Amino acid sequence: QVQLVQSGAEVKKPGSSVKVSCKPSGDTFNTYGISWVRQAPGQGLEYIGGIIPGFGIPDYAQTFQGRVTINADHSTSTVYMELTNVKSDDTAVYYCARGFGGPLDSWGQGTLVTVSS
Amino acid sequence: EIVLTQSPGTLSLSPGERATLSCRASQSVNSRYLGWYQQKPGQAPSLLIYDASSRAAGVPDRFSGSGSGTDFTLTISRLEPEDFAVYYCHHYGSSRTFGQGTKVEIK
Repeated sequence: QVQLVQSGAEVKKPGSSVKVSCKPSGDTFNTYGISWVRQAPGQGLEYIGGIIPGFGIPDYAQTFQGRVTINADHSTSTVYMELTNVKSDDTAVYYCARGFGGPLDSWGQGTLVTVSS
Repeated sequence: EIVLTQSPGTLSLSPGERATLSCRASQSVNSRYLGWYQQKPGQAPSLLIYDASSRAAGVPDRFSGSGSGTDFTLTISRLEPEDFAVYYCHHYGSSRTFGQGTKVEIK
């Protein structure tokens, strides 16, 4: 069974950056794309962006353009999502999921990012 | 940019009843790029349907998806207690986005 293991919860000050990691099991890193989705408290799902590690060119939702970077580290088979200049409304659970340009068929456990002064 | 609008926002039904959830796209989409997810409280979403009508592995056959163009439907033929949850539609083509969700609650 595919697993995507994410890094732990983060608490950040407004204006700082947060970086969340996602390590897929098996051959997922070399075979599939990885997408990032977030969910603010009590709200719905919001697409952030994604990457196919083998190609290395990320895609970002327009809402996050200029503030998010998604990259893949082939030495550790890990995908990262970094969000800069965070604000209180960036407080959310951030998920990585297997799939890009396709259905998201396996999800990480989620990483709670809290932005608070 | 494609916008997905789900209706109703909340569906109040009893176990054993049929649930019909709607997802409407702001422009015509390729049904190959339309999926549905179930999310229970405190859990990550789980893929139910992909390519508008194909069930994901392990999904019971009481779940079915249909539609094309701008109108898509998720149907749960007979609600089981574990089906009360929030459901999201998702377009994963060139303009990737989610609907705002439909909550199916116990009446």
